[in-house]
Amino acid sequence: GNSVTQMEGPVTLSEEAFLTINCTYTATGYPSLFWYVQYPGEGLQLLLKATKADDKGSNKGFEATYRKETTSFHLEKGSVQVSDSAVYFCALSPSNTGKLIFGQGTTLQVKP
Amino acid sequence: GAGVSQTPSNKVTEKGKYVELRCDPISGHTALYWYRQSLGQGPEFLIYFQGTGAADDSGLPNDRFFAVRPEGSVSTLKIQRTERGDSAVYLCASSFRQNTEAFFGQGTRLTVV
Repeated sequence: GNSVTQMEGPVTLSEEAFLTINCTYTATGYPSLFWYVQYPGEGLQLLLKATKADDKGSNKGFEATYRKETTSFHLEKGSVQVSDSAVYFCALSPSNTGKLIFGQGTTLQVKP
Repeated sequence: GAGVSQTPSNKVTEKGKYVELRCDPISGHTALYWYRQSLGQGPEFLIYFQGTGAADDSGLPNDRFFAVRPEGSVSTLKIQRTERGDSAVYLCASSFRQNTEAFFGQGTRLTVV
């Protein structure tokens, strides 16, 4: 079956620290991979995506690379800001379906 | 409106009652998805519509849950004989077509007492 596993939170960092949030997946076929973000009081927003192996998705300084050999899609940012504090969800979409399978979410707190 | 609109934003109901949750997708979006998010968990897929028809309802937990989209736009998620375990945030998302970026609403927080 299809599933996504994320590292447990909360993750607490100081401003300008390096961020990694681990995500691994299990899937049949060739899924697309996503990171969604939920800022306090707001709805889920797409942060970045990758649709095939070795693709790198990037947005707002965040990056993630689709690694088929390790079935991973880890989220990274070189220097986090207080405004990055949010809940981050890794997700996959089985081939050509559009529906999303989410991980449990990781809360990031960035302190000044 | 510019985004996906869900009403009501909050709903408190008594165990055993019937509830309806409404989703207004972005105009022109043909695909519509319902998810359920329990506290501390990621969203869990319930059902997906392409146009008026349910293309995949494999996530509906049991026959108390039903959803419709009669004109291919607004969708209603219906829950019969509500149970305390149905308490969650119900999210709706729409996309221009299948497998393009999905835009999420703010959700309806359902509490069954």
